[in-house]
Amino acid sequence: AQTVTQSQPEMSVQEAETVTLSCTYDTSESDYYLFWYKQPPSRQMILVIRQEAYKQQNATENRFSVNFQKAAKSFSLKISDSQLGDAAMYFCAYRRGGGKLIFGQGTELSVKP
Amino acid sequence: DVKVTQSSRYLVKRTGEKVFLECVQDMDHENMFWYRQDPGLGLRLIYFSYDVKMKEKGDIPEGYSVSREKKERFSLILESASTNQTSMYLCASSHPGAGGDTQYFGPGTRLTVL
Repeated sequence: AQTVTQSQPEMSVQEAETVTLSCTYDTSESDYYLFWYKQPPSRQMILVIRQEAYKQQNATENRFSVNFQKAAKSFSLKISDSQLGDAAMYFCAYRRGGGKLIFGQGTELSVKP
Repeated sequence: DVKVTQSSRYLVKRTGEKVFLECVQDMDHENMFWYRQDPGLGLRLIYFSYDVKMKEKGDIPEGYSVSREKKERFSLILESASTNQTSMYLCASSHPGAGGDTQYFGPGTRLTVL
């Protein structure tokens, strides 16, 4: 069975600095999708970035980028130039069959001014 | 933009009550999902549906049922609420094959069972 692990329950970053959130997963599949979702306090969960496993190039969305290491089954999220609005719970997710997602435990990111 | 709405942001119920959580999406998505979110556990899938009147159990279906009579609406039912069902409930929808089946989430319902 597939699993997703986020080993950092909490992280903190200084405004304008860079932070990396870790995620590892386990699967025997070769073709899959990975996602990072952001859940701001008391607000809706939104998609930050997604990665298709067959693509070697790491996905990038503005200040957000991933380091996808397929052999190591690692999918970390890098946030550059951190802003106060980046403070949120971040979830890593793996897409399994039928469009269902398996989520990690979440990492709560705080941004210090 | 996809919009997923849930009927209540906060709900307080008594043990043994029947509870209905409603979810509506406006993008004609085939797939709809119900999750519960608990600290340290992330999101866990309760039920999902690929089409009207279709439903399949997720990872933690015990104590829950669902209904999907219309494509845009997916209801989660707690037949007899218990205190261990106190949680945040999130609804999501997706279109098959679109962007890896990217899911769009509602704002969540925080349910407290006393």
